[in-house]
Amino acid sequence: AQSVAQPEDQVNVAEGNPLTVKCTYSVSGNPYLFWYVQYPNRGLQFLLKYITGDNLVKGSYGFEAEFNKSQTSFHLKKPSALVSDSALYFCAVRDMGGYQKVTFGIGTKLQVIP
Amino acid sequence: DSGVTQTPKHLITATGQRVTLRCSPRSGDLSVYWYQQSLDQGLQFLIQYYNGEERAKGNILERFSAQQFPDLHSELNLSSLELGDSALYFCASSAEGTSGQETQYFGPGTRLLVL
Repeated sequence: AQSVAQPEDQVNVAEGNPLTVKCTYSVSGNPYLFWYVQYPNRGLQFLLKYITGDNLVKGSYGFEAEFNKSQTSFHLKKPSALVSDSALYFCAVRDMGGYQKVTFGIGTKLQVIP
Repeated sequence: DSGVTQTPKHLITATGQRVTLRCSPRSGDLSVYWYQQSLDQGLQFLIQYYNGEERAKGNILERFSAQQFPDLHSELNLSSLELGDSALYFCASSAEGTSGQETQYFGPGTRLLVL
C-alpha cells in the first residue's frame, strides 16, 4: 500500500524568508509525486509534479520541489515566501505501476507572517 | 478557474436522505475523480471514472455510488446519509486517466451538511 506523510500540521515563516514544506512517501515501486495548494474555500490547484528525470522540479508561483529517492522525500520549497502563499499544501503520490489511486497527505498549513 | 464545475455549491439535508452531486469536467478531459474532504479524515479519494468506465476505487462506502455519463459529466450519489457524511466533496478531472502521471484539475467543491 502507498502512503504519504506530511509531518508538520503547520509551518510558520516570515515574509521574504525561504520556506520548506516536508513530504515523505512510501510506494512499492517508483513514484509519481505531486504538490497541490488549497486556498480558503477553494478547490485544490496543481503546483508541480515529479514523473522522471531531474530531481529538482520547478512549478507554479516560484515553488520547486526536490525528489530524493534514498530519503523517500519530496519537500516543497520556495526561496522567498509571500503573504499570499499562506494556504493549505497537499503532497500526493501514485505508484508508477498498475492502477493505483492517488494518495494525498493530510495537508500542511503554511502561514507567512508579514 | 480550473474549468471544472460542480453543483450545487452547498447542500443541507437530513439523516437518512439521498442526494446527488454533479460534476462537469474540463472540456476534453476523459477522467473524473471524486474526493471527500473532512477535518478528521483529510482528503480521501473515493472513485475514478475514465471515459465512462470505473477506473479505480478508493475508500467509497457502499451507500455511495457514482457514474460517468456519455457526455463525460459525472454524478456522485450519497444515500442513507449520516451525520458523519458532512464534508466537502470535490470533483477533479484530467485529460486522460491511465498513465498515473496526469495532473488533476479540481472543482470548487460541494459542501454537504447532514443534520
